[in-house]
Amino acid sequence: DTAVSQTPKYLVTQMGNDKSIKCEQNLGHDTMYWYKQDSKKFLKIMFSYNNKELIINETVPNRFSPKSPDKAHLNLHINSLELGDSAVYFCASSQDRTLAGSPGEQYFGPGTRLTVT
Amino acid sequence: KNQVEQSPQSLIILEGKNCTLQCNYTVSPFSNLRWYKQDTGRGPVSLTIMTFSENTKSNGRYTATLDADTKQSSLHITASQLSDSASYICVVSVGGSYIPTFGRGTSLIVHP
Repeated sequence: DTAVSQTPKYLVTQMGNDKSIKCEQNLGHDTMYWYKQDSKKFLKIMFSYNNKELIINETVPNRFSPKSPDKAHLNLHINSLELGDSAVYFCASSQDRTLAGSPGEQYFGPGTRLTVT
Repeated sequence: KNQVEQSPQSLIILEGKNCTLQCNYTVSPFSNLRWYKQDTGRGPVSLTIMTFSENTKSNGRYTATLDADTKQSSLHITASQLSDSASYICVVSVGGSYIPTFGRGTSLIVHP
């Protein structure tokens, strides 16, 4: 069984469009995340979300918004897509946080390669 | 500013050889440090996690070390295999924060 799944795996779209990427985890985890990995393979966290709070990386444009219909899903909506949004987007989940107050081990999905033309 | 620096940026070794990857961090307050392996076209997978009080942790042929005084960690790979070819990412968590700090990774290529 796939622990963290994402759809679609590939997404090609034009500038200005609005698109969504879906993420589901069957691990029973409390916290989910979205990451962006650029062409230089640098992973950058975008959001951290559980049923209590949404933590947003302040560098993320407000064109990006996470939507969570339930604890097992965290979808990523992107409005007015730009060329610079082209990247691989990873969803991840963890069992809330460790005793030290930081996130537990994160399990990543397979990624969605977004290409904006 | 919290930062994680990894070296080398890339590394090529022959199958069967050992190698060591480095991670230096300036993160405060330190919570834990993880090493992830990312195969091409896949999401990262956790190899080890180390807290402040741990100096060494092994996972098969992977051994991570942590020196909290000098804020350095290393990942040692023993008897490398072709399947070790991947990107290795060092991630440091700040106490009380959901936003971990990622290094840019070391790209390892193992040749037969």
